[in-house]
Amino acid sequence: GEDVEQSLFLSVREGDSSVINCTYTDSSSTYLYWYKQEPGAGLQLLTYIFSNMDMKQDQRLTVLLNKKDKHLSLRIADTQTGDSAIYFCAESKSGGGADGLTFGKGTHLIIQP
Amino acid sequence: GAVVSQHPSWVICKSGTSVKIECRSLDFQATTMFWYRQFPKQSLMLMATSNEGSKATYEQGVEKDKFLINHASLTLSTLTVTSAHPEDSSFYICSARGTRLTDTQYFGPGTRLTVL
Repeated sequence: GEDVEQSLFLSVREGDSSVINCTYTDSSSTYLYWYKQEPGAGLQLLTYIFSNMDMKQDQRLTVLLNKKDKHLSLRIADTQTGDSAIYFCAESKSGGGADGLTFGKGTHLIIQP
Repeated sequence: GAVVSQHPSWVICKSGTSVKIECRSLDFQATTMFWYRQFPKQSLMLMATSNEGSKATYEQGVEKDKFLINHASLTLSTLTVTSAHPEDSSFYICSARGTRLTDTQYFGPGTRLTVL
């Protein structure tokens, strides 16, 4: 299977929380990232987490890491229309992305009014 | 801070011609730059890693004579697609990493290449 897997679509109502899930296979992954890509644009780093952490919160974003199950999630509280984008999970083995990142295929977040 | 630009943002060329794409780190020095390729509705695939002043390291399956990478300064890397063909049409995205051990990768806005 793929090194990093994500579901392709997620639809939520405006104001609800969005939870985007990601699984990875490489237990030596040390850094895990979430990127946001809007149509026709490059990638915006949202947040990242070290593999020795379980959780990281940054304003509306909460990242949970279950290293045992190799499962990563991104929760967006109070989802807004501006959150509509593709969200990529990525992993790297070295600190600070000294190596190239391995990306999932991305989850397209759709916001319903 | 940590802004990465790419030029051009969009290019159309004829089959058989070569196209050069520039990646610049605008407000920091980047010892390492990465080139990725993204097909429609697909993920980003790492093509190569380049360190300033060194030859690029290419991922398996990426032709180094087809995709020439030059990283001559700490703020500029170029990707030249030589003798482009329609199957090279894609979205090319670069990223740059600063000099500190804790630096992460910052991505450019991407260049859409269409080969007719």
